[in-house]
Amino acid sequence: AQSVAQPEDQVNVAEGNPLTVKCTYSVSGNPYLFWYVQYPNRGLQFLLKYITGDNLVKGSYGFEAEFNKSQTSFHLKKPSALVSDSALYFCAVRDIRNFNKFYFGSGTKLNVKP
Amino acid sequence: DGGITQSPKYLFRKEGQNVTLSCEQNLNHDAMYWYRQDPGQGLRLIYYSQIVNDFQKGDIAEGYSVSREKKESFPLTVTSAQKNPTAFYLCASSGQTGASNQPQHFGDGTRLSIL
Repeated sequence: AQSVAQPEDQVNVAEGNPLTVKCTYSVSGNPYLFWYVQYPNRGLQFLLKYITGDNLVKGSYGFEAEFNKSQTSFHLKKPSALVSDSALYFCAVRDIRNFNKFYFGSGTKLNVKP
Repeated sequence: DGGITQSPKYLFRKEGQNVTLSCEQNLNHDAMYWYRQDPGQGLRLIYYSQIVNDFQKGDIAEGYSVSREKKESFPLTVTSAQKNPTAFYLCASSGQTGASNQPQHFGDGTRLSIL
């Protein structure tokens, strides 16, 4: 079965410090991985994806993610956090047996304090 | 601009009432989805549709129904059989198998509450 796990319900970081939001996955075959961000009372916005190629993926708003096959992880990172980065972050994997299904983690609330 | 439009943004349901949530997309996507979001539980799949006139149950389809008569539209009906309908409902779309590296696109949701 395909699944993703986000082990932290909440991450707190000071503005200007680096941030990491963790995601691990369990899939059969090569994973298609995605990160999304959700602001209050809004839908999910796509940040970045890993399909194949370089393990370090760059996305929107200065975010990047590191794919690690041996650790089955796809952690979201940013070198310098902004207060405006405070939001709910979701990791997702696309089912390679049925491309029309996606599996989402439970979400991690990022709090960036001034 | 292409995107997904959900309406209404807020909806209230009375006991024994069916309500319908609208979802329209102009992205020319084949696949459309409905998710339910509850605090601390992430997204749970209700129904999805790969093509017009076809749809499949997701993980929590009981008490919900859908139709897909047009490519652009995928309305969700929350029936009176759904005893705990209070949640944030998200509609999404994605390209078909040939666009497997593309993400889903989401609407801005409908918040449903019980009166």
